Amino acid sequence: EAAVTQSPRSKVAVTGGKVTLSCHQTNNHDYMYWYRQDTGHGLRLIHYSYVADSTEKGDIPDGYKASRPSQENFSLILELASLSQTAVYFCASREGTGNSGNTLYFGEGSRLIVV
Amino acid sequence: QQKVQQSPESLSVPEGGMASLNCTSSDRNFQYFWWYRQHSGEGPKALMSIFSDGDKKEGRFTAHLNKASLHVSLHIRDSQPSDSALYFCAARVNNNAGAKLTFGGGTRLTVRP
Repeated sequence: EAAVTQSPRSKVAVTGGKVTLSCHQTNNHDYMYWYRQDTGHGLRLIHYSYVADSTEKGDIPDGYKASRPSQENFSLILELASLSQTAVYFCASREGTGNSGNTLYFGEGSRLIVV
Repeated sequence: QQKVQQSPESLSVPEGGMASLNCTSSDRNFQYFWWYRQHSGEGPKALMSIFSDGDKKEGRFTAHLNKASLHVSLHIRDSQPSDSALYFCAARVNNNAGAKLTFGGGTRLTVRP
C-alpha cells in the first residue's frame, strides 16, 4: 500500500510565526496534495502539485505556500501563522493515470494549534 | 454552500444493523464519486468508487449512484464496531489525471456493540 508520511505529527505555533509541514511519499506518485480538515467542512484543498518544482493553488490557498523540491517531497508553509489556521492538515498522493491511479493515499495528518 | 453535501452529520446503528449514508452534489458537472473512510487518529482511506448509475457492491458495502438526481449513497450491511468512523463522499468532474477531488463534510458513523 502507498506510504505517505508527514512531519511533525503535532505542533503548537505562535501567532505570526512561520510553520513548515513536511510530507514524504515513497511510491513514485506524480500528484501530491495538501488538505486541511475542520469539523463540518470536511477536507478542503489548499495546494497541489503534479511535478517537481511546480505547485498549483487549490480551493483555499490564501495564507499558505507550497514547495515541491522533488517528486517525493511536498511542503506546506505558513509564513505568518494565524489563529484561523488551527486545523489538522493532511498530505495525500496519487499516481495520476488510469482508474486505480485516481485513488488518493493520505498521510496520518499533522495537528497544528496556533496560539 | 458546499458543492458536496452529506447527510446525516452523525448516525448510530446497532451491531449487525444497516447503515445508510447519503451524499448530494449541487454541481451537475460532478460525474465521478468516491467514498473515503477515516478512523480516529488516522488519515482517510479510499473505500470504493462509483462512476456509473446503479449499484456497486463490495463485500458488506454497496454504493448507489443516480446522476440525474446528483445523489450517491453508501449502505453498510451487518455493521461492525470496526465500521465506526468518519465517512466522506468525494466527487470529481472527470477522470482525467489533473481533475481535483471535492469532499463533503462527512458523516460520523457509530456502531453500538
